[in-house]
Amino acid sequence: QLVLTQSPSASASLGASVKFTCTLSSGHSSYAIAWHQQQPEKGPRFLMKLNSDGSHNKGDGIPDRFSGSSSGAERYLTISSLQSEDEADYYCQTWDSGIQVFGGGTKLTVL
Amino acid sequence: QLQLQESGPGLVKPSETLSLTCSVSGASISSTSYYWGCIRQPPGKGLEWVGNIYYTGTMFYNPSLKSRVTISVDTSKNQFSLKLSSVTAADTAVYYCARQILTGHYPDEFDYWGQGMLVTVSS
Repeated sequence: QLVLTQSPSASASLGASVKFTCTLSSGHSSYAIAWHQQQPEKGPRFLMKLNSDGSHNKGDGIPDRFSGSSSGAERYLTISSLQSEDEADYYCQTWDSGIQVFGGGTKLTVL
Repeated sequence: QLQLQESGPGLVKPSETLSLTCSVSGASISSTSYYWGCIRQPPGKGLEWVGNIYYTGTMFYNPSLKSRVTISVDTSKNQFSLKLSSVTAADTAVYYCARQILTGHYPDEFDYWGQGMLVTVSS
């Protein structure tokens, strides 16, 4: 079964960097994922599509502070030079033969 | 600039049918490059995919909702619609419309989202 696992929460200081992890279930380590950001009281925003080789395509207007990388079944989102507006929930998404799956999301607190 | 706008009743009675319309502007719903999807988010919880549709009518549904979900497309109005039957309080959520990239045979990532619409199921 295709499942995405995310830690429920993370925190980092203003100006620092933070790295989120999204783990694909066993047997699905070659799958691409997408990262989405959801700021408080807003709809989600597409950040990037991240492939298993670490290559990624960002959405419109996504700053260079946001980057992605991959290792085995893990997909990462790194935000550098954290800003207050980065405080949000971050979701990963993947797909298989038309079926879509979301991770449970990670809530980022910027200290 | 692509925009997706959700509309419909914000309050639905238990056992009735929830209806949501997604209006698309800035892009053609008949484009061969995209699917169009519905995602929901119960209050305080994460995202749950409901289903998606191609302009030809090809659809995919969340297996857990499949028996109650119908998604249709109206290319003349550049809209697609969600119907969810026999609703209960557990269906209370913010419902989002989104565009999905098609690069092969199946849809991939959601790349544009609407602002969402809260639908409450209550008598």
